[in-house]
Amino acid sequence: EAGVTQSPTHLIKTRGQQATLRCSPISGHTSVYWYQQALGLGLQFLLWYDEGEERNRGNFPPRFSGRQFPNYSSELNVNALELEDSALYLCASSFFPRSRGEQFFGPGTRLTVL
Amino acid sequence: AQTVTQSQPEMSVQEAETVTLSCTYDTSESDYYLFWYKQPPSRQMILVIRQEAYKQQNATENRFSVNFQKAAKSFSLKISDSQLGDAAMYFCAYLTGTASKLTFGTGTRLQVTL
Repeated sequence: EAGVTQSPTHLIKTRGQQATLRCSPISGHTSVYWYQQALGLGLQFLLWYDEGEERNRGNFPPRFSGRQFPNYSSELNVNALELEDSALYLCASSFFPRSRGEQFFGPGTRLTVL
Repeated sequence: AQTVTQSQPEMSVQEAETVTLSCTYDTSESDYYLFWYKQPPSRQMILVIRQEAYKQQNATENRFSVNFQKAAKSFSLKISDSQLGDAAMYFCAYLTGTASKLTFGTGTRLQVTL
């Protein structure tokens, strides 16, 4: 069974640009979660999508947005990039609500903002 | 708001020995899940063990076991017969069924020596 996949592996952007990160969940999983892992700030919850809708959002500005497609894959968009957006972005999936809470993570996308 | 605290930034253990990583959490919820995730240098988050709050019995997965003290809001991880491959960052995480977002601790870096 294929795990959660993310693309690209690395992404380099400059301040003010937009970044698009992609995530494909495990087959059969309907929920996708996005987390930011910034140096010194730990892992922070960004967004949760389930069945195509945004279900919950972390304490991040509106520059961070996303969507979930009919095939349950997801996109995270970060507009007007700032230096502090440099981080590892992790995507996770689960079969909410029957997954018993377990979320499976992808390998992450390393975003560097210059 | 829920918080997760890992008071040990770094721990070291000799191969084949036992080590315990500490985690405390704060919540007013009665129904929740607790997890330990491992993040090796490859950055892929791997689920080590999970515990449902309603279960009194401590979870065990091979060499990994937890000591779940619900009243004290404590959730420690014991690694027995430590192996070189256990070296990684270990994150304690909390999840409620309603919010469905994982709240992570700051992590404990485990070093395994010969």
